[in-house]
Amino acid sequence: DVVMTQSPDSLAVSLGERATINCKSSQSVSHSANNNNYLAWYQQKPGQPPTLLISWASTRESGVPDRFSGSGSGTDFTLTISSLQAEDVAVYYCQQYYSAPITFGQGTRLEIK
Amino acid sequence: QLQLQESGPGLIKPSETLSLTCTVSGGSISSGYFWGWIRQPPGKGLEWIGNFYYSGRTYYNPSLKSRVTISADTSKNQFSLKLTSVTAADTAVYHCARRRDDYGDYYDYWGQGTLVTVSS
Repeated sequence: DVVMTQSPDSLAVSLGERATINCKSSQSVSHSANNNNYLAWYQQKPGQPPTLLISWASTRESGVPDRFSGSGSGTDFTLTISSLQAEDVAVYYCQQYYSAPITFGQGTRLEIK
Repeated sequence: QLQLQESGPGLIKPSETLSLTCTVSGGSISSGYFWGWIRQPPGKGLEWIGNFYYSGRTYYNPSLKSRVTISADTSKNQFSLKLTSVTAADTAVYHCARRRDDYGDYYDYWGQGTLVTVSS
């Protein structure tokens, strides 16, 4: 299985500041033939199911604020929140879908400093 | 708006079979999507259990494959999960979810989840 490792495990950022979450895969999750990156990001707020934020490493879902952005390729990916808002407090997960079974990172807890 | 809702027993005993149902509203499970189950042990991360396509194709996580069955009742617009020989390690919130499309195995609609506790 592809192991997904997120860093940091938890993060405290001031309102309006940038938050950066990293995700590293144990093998490449990018397809050289089509340049697609098989990586998704989810947000999970307490007591709620995960919400899909980004697919294909950088494609934002409809309705997701543009302060959320994804980047990366190969084995290293990043979720960036450009200006943290109070409603962004959550746990964030990356997920690879390049190789079965799909696997998730352990999660990064984002809090307000 | 598509909605998914899990239902089933919240407490089962070790060695028993976990049985959950996902009821889909606002869309049909025969509409050409994959539908799956994903679980989350309390305070921990997410684990994909498996998914199915309405035509009958099923795919399971190899770590659970020997104990898992996912099936559908299209007349009720429901799909189900059965997990046999459960242990405390199977205690988790179980979510049903819809896979976005054929090109990528990621999930865009999720049920709220139901907590299943395995304990004697």
